Amino acid sequence: ETGVTQSPTHLIKTRGQQVTLRCSSQSGHNTVSWYQQALGQGPQFIFQYYREEENGRGNFPPRFSGLQFPNYSSELNVNALELDDSALYLCASSSNRGRNTEAFFGQGTRLTVV
Amino acid sequence: TQLLEQSPQFLSIQEGENLTVYCNSSSVFSSLQWYRQEPGEGPVLLVTVVTGGEVKKLKRLTFQFGDARKDSSLHITAAQPGDTGLYLCAGVRSNDYKLSFGAGTTVTVRA
Repeated sequence: ETGVTQSPTHLIKTRGQQVTLRCSSQSGHNTVSWYQQALGQGPQFIFQYYREEENGRGNFPPRFSGLQFPNYSSELNVNALELDDSALYLCASSSNRGRNTEAFFGQGTRLTVV
Repeated sequence: TQLLEQSPQFLSIQEGENLTVYCNSSSVFSSLQWYRQEPGEGPVLLVTVVTGGEVKKLKRLTFQFGDARKDSSLHITAAQPGDTGLYLCAGVRSNDYKLSFGAGTTVTVRA
């Protein structure tokens, strides 16, 4: 049990719709990173939030956006969903922007776009 | 192109056998982590290595970080069916902030 919780666990959306995924970070952690994991692949970095600001971004289009709240929980928003957005979305909680610290993952949200 | 290359991609062995998973890169990492992931679940952290040449043991699992901090290995002794899962290596490069993952090694231990 890592203390990192994600909601919902499963979600089915139609192409073109918008989705919001949520993550509660572990107590004492101020950094949340989001990853996309396609079937059979390793997680790919989407972006990181540190103290409510985006601290870095991977190779994902602007329709992937996020927020971090004062309690360090976070949201991932995806607009104009495409079939290829179907994946397991993972959030990872850490401290100090992930530098020299360990990252702990939630159980993920399985998004299916039809 | 993956920053971290894992090999083999798939591994199927009999209970009681040993196995080794490799994680290689041309980049230097300030730390490297190994995770195990079950289907439909998030990765669970097994170990973090930070010093070149470091060896860590976790029961039947032995983790090694290369001297140059560019590669790592995971060795499982006397594998059991409960060791079945996707093993992922992930590293943070110096002056970087994000974890970069390998593609993973799917390990199946047959009873």
